[in-house]
Amino acid sequence: GAVVSQHPSRVICKSGTSVKIECRSLDFQATTMFWYRQFPKQSLMLMATSNEGSKATYEQGVEKDKFLINHASLTLSTLTVTSAHPEDSSFYICSAAKIASGGYNEQFFGPGTRLTVL
Amino acid sequence: GQNIDQPTEMTATEGAIVQINCTYQTSGFNGLFWYQQHAGEAPTFLSYNVLDGLEEKGRFSSFLSRSKGYSYLLLKELQMKDSASYLCAVISNDYKLSFGAGTTVTVRA
Repeated sequence: GAVVSQHPSRVICKSGTSVKIECRSLDFQATTMFWYRQFPKQSLMLMATSNEGSKATYEQGVEKDKFLINHASLTLSTLTVTSAHPEDSSFYICSAAKIASGGYNEQFFGPGTRLTVL
Repeated sequence: GQNIDQPTEMTATEGAIVQINCTYQTSGFNGLFWYQQHAGEAPTFLSYNVLDGLEEKGRFSSFLSRSKGYSYLLLKELQMKDSASYLCAVISNDYKLSFGAGTTVTVRA
């Protein structure tokens, strides 16, 4: 199988603080990982593509200085929400890309991190 | 840009069949995924279609017509545990996934 973990699963922080979320591929190496954000009753919105050993590619409208992404190894990517504000409260989900047995590029999702900024 | 449309909500009775339609207009196409997502959890993979036709997997089937930009997910013999959000997602040439807004399916006894 392909298992992706995220830590922490839930975090509550004060406005102005920074929060780091880790995404790990446990049983495979992922050169590419993706970070999504999901607001209540909405779909997943891609924030950025994280490539091992290079800078992340951010989607339009996502502030790269606010959402810092580091992909230091083939099994770990981190997302740091800097100076978090209540409007950053959301469900953050990562995924790791792997070539599936059918030959297509499949993304395996982590369990998500619920961020609440007070 | 990417435009992926699916109905917002559907309700069906336990044991029945429900079909969730998805239409898409995307820049590049490398396949279409269906995911199931329960509230507060990450999406889980249901199916992948890249060629036209029907893919059957137990109680779930998925159909694709590339010329029409259309797919559907068919859920048969509905069970209460099937109550969830179902997400249609298209993977484009740059291997990014674009998601539809999701269809919330409610199964009633």
